[in-house]
Amino acid sequence: QVQLQESGPGLVKPSQTLSLTCTVSGGSISTSSYYWSWIRLPAGKGLEWMGRIHPSGGTDYSPSLNRRITISVDTSKNQFSLKLSSVTAADTAVYYCARMAYSNYRPGYYYYYMDVWGKGTTVTVSS
Amino acid sequence: DIVMTQSPLSLPVTPGEPASISCRASQSLLHSTGYNYLDWYLQKPGQSPQLVIYLGSNRASGVPDRFSGSGSGTDFILKISRVEAEDVGIYYCMQGLQTPFTFGPGTRVDIK
Repeated sequence: QVQLQESGPGLVKPSQTLSLTCTVSGGSISTSSYYWSWIRLPAGKGLEWMGRIHPSGGTDYSPSLNRRITISVDTSKNQFSLKLSSVTAADTAVYYCARMAYSNYRPGYYYYYMDVWGKGTTVTVSS
Repeated sequence: DIVMTQSPLSLPVTPGEPASISCRASQSLLHSTGYNYLDWYLQKPGQSPQLVIYLGSNRASGVPDRFSGSGSGTDFILKISRVEAEDVGIYYCMQGLQTPFTFGPGTRVDIK
């Protein structure tokens, strides 16, 4: 059974870079069948999808974060990571990593959905 | 970006009674294949979100059959045929048609 666990500093100073890692256990991150995503939940707000990475290295980012976000994968450690630069108080949130599996619902067509989530880690941006 | 809205934002329910949540997208989520690229997620208190429905109407593995998803294009509904206490939490719809994937604001379901 695949499990995901987020880790990283719980407190980051404004203007610095937020760095989080998601460790995948019970399965290989290298499997081409999956994407790996980051999602966050600011206090009092709704979920925000931040971006995803394929083990091949291909990424998709939310344009609202595009200049500040980097997602990378380390297959040797079975981990993927999030870096968010120039953080402000607005980046204070619970950060989740998630696996995106697919449904081959029709020959040649694939639909991805987030089927396994980490427990989340709280990051506060404050001086 | 595709904007997702939900109603109601708060839904008190009685155990054993039905409940439904509406979700609307700012543009059609109907793919050329005839499938709707829409998911429902539930975040139970103190837990991370979990998948309930994908592709508009497909229940995720382990999801009870009292949950059903319907709708097409821009308007979707999540129905719970008979609410149980374990169904409380915040329900989010999410469009999977194009990145950035976007969520609705969430509907908080709790017991009356």
